Amino acid sequence: DQQVKQNSPSLSVQEGRISILNCDYTNSMFDYFLWYKKYPAEGPTFLISISSIKDKNEDGRFTVFLNKSAKHLSLHIVPSQPGDSAVYFCAASSTDTGNQFYFGTGTSLTVIP
Amino acid sequence: DTAVSQTPKYLVTQMGNDKSIKCEQNLGHDTMYWYKQDSKKFLKIMFSYNNKELIINETVPNRFSPKSPDKAHLNLHINSLELGDSAVYFCASSHGLAGVADTQYFGPGTRLTVL
Repeated sequence: DQQVKQNSPSLSVQEGRISILNCDYTNSMFDYFLWYKKYPAEGPTFLISISSIKDKNEDGRFTVFLNKSAKHLSLHIVPSQPGDSAVYFCAASSTDTGNQFYFGTGTSLTVIP
Repeated sequence: DTAVSQTPKYLVTQMGNDKSIKCEQNLGHDTMYWYKQDSKKFLKIMFSYNNKELIINETVPNRFSPKSPDKAHLNLHINSLELGDSAVYFCASSHGLAGVADTQYFGPGTRLTVL
C-alpha cells in the first residue's frame, strides 16, 4: 500500500515560470516531509524539508507548503531554471517510526529554455 | 570527496547466481539503509542498520542479507538471484538519532540486471 503518492509522473514548464510539484499522503501520523531531487544515474539528493508544526518552508527558489488537513504538500520552484530538470521525490516519516521514510514515485520535471 | 559510495555501479548477472553490493559512507552517520527502486520507480526501503544493528527489515525475501561490519559500511548480499531482483539499489545514511526523522543521504545507486 503506497502511503505517499505523486500522481503526476511528469511536468513541463517554461524557464522563468513557476514549477509546482504535488504530493499526497495517507498516513495522518506523518510529521516530517522531505523533497529529493534526482538526476539520471545519480542517487537522490536532499532539497528541502518541512515538519508538521509548519505550513511553509522556504529556501531560496524552493518553497514547500504543507496542508495537513488535506494531507497534501507541494514544492514550488520560482523561477524555474533548465538545471532544475530532474526527477523530484517527496518522502514522509513519522516520529514514532524514526528513520523509516516512505517515498512517492517521483515527478519528472522538464524546464524548457 | 564522495559522501556515500556504492560498488559496483552496474551489475549484470545470471539467474541463480549470488552477488554482493558494497556501500560505504564517510559522513560519520550512525544509520545506514538499503532501498530498492523497481521498474515503476517506486523507492522502497529494504533494511536499516543503526550502529551495526538491524532496526528495519521490511518484507524482503531472505535471499537478501545485509551485513554491517562497522557503522561506515553496509553491504547487501543476494543469493539465488531471480529476474524480479532486477532494479536499482540505493544505499543511504543518516545521523540516526533515536525518535528523530532526519535527512538521508543517498549513494549513486547500483543497477542490477538479472538475465
